[in-house]
Amino acid sequence: GAGVSQSPRYKVAKRGQDVALRCDPISGHVSLFWYQQALGQGPEFLTYFQNEAQLDKSGLPSDRFFAERPEGSVSTLKIQRTQQEDSAVYLCASSLGQGNVNEQFFGPGTRLTVL
Amino acid sequence: AQKVTQAQTEISVVEKEDVTLDCVYETRDTTYYLFWYKQPPSGELVFLIRRNSFDEQNEISGRYSWNFQKSTSSFNFTITASQVVDSAVYFCALSDSWGKLQFGAGTQVVVTP
Repeated sequence: GAGVSQSPRYKVAKRGQDVALRCDPISGHVSLFWYQQALGQGPEFLTYFQNEAQLDKSGLPSDRFFAERPEGSVSTLKIQRTQQEDSAVYLCASSLGQGNVNEQFFGPGTRLTVL
Repeated sequence: AQKVTQAQTEISVVEKEDVTLDCVYETRDTTYYLFWYKQPPSGELVFLIRRNSFDEQNEISGRYSWNFQKSTSSFNFTITASQVVDSAVYFCALSDSWGKLQFGAGTQVVVTP
């Protein structure tokens, strides 16, 4: 498919476990964003990459959250020692250039449930 | 700091009625971009429109129209002759120079036959 894909679509973790969420952006898209969407709320920004450079990580809620995009394409969001408050849908978006000029295309999200 | 307010939590209409979704924003930037996204029950965010701060022309796309008023910091969205398929959560968003989106809380639109 030509869209943004995310895997897994659903993840259940026990409190304290580490998880890794993957995002495959649209091929050739320079910008990649991660957002966190809690139930009944709007998405909240987590972090932003331009190619392999992480230019903004101001939205990461704690040092348990880590994101990377080593080759400027696929990105992984890792959450260490998961807590119940980490339960949310994690959305990835990519855009051709800078996200304010070009449309951001969103993936289907990964729904994380921490028990 | 940037802020987007969508005061309407839920709007219920009967099919063929018009529905207007309010969006008020705050920013100190002189150049900024405003967006509307649709999130159907499937969960995927669907882009509807992008507007830059220098373009206050209203826009119409089929049954959708947008009213951008810089003087009141509002970017309202109207669905004309609503259909059941319009049932979704609609988000207004504001972006900074990098493209980081600040979303409102969303408005749930319920269209009944």
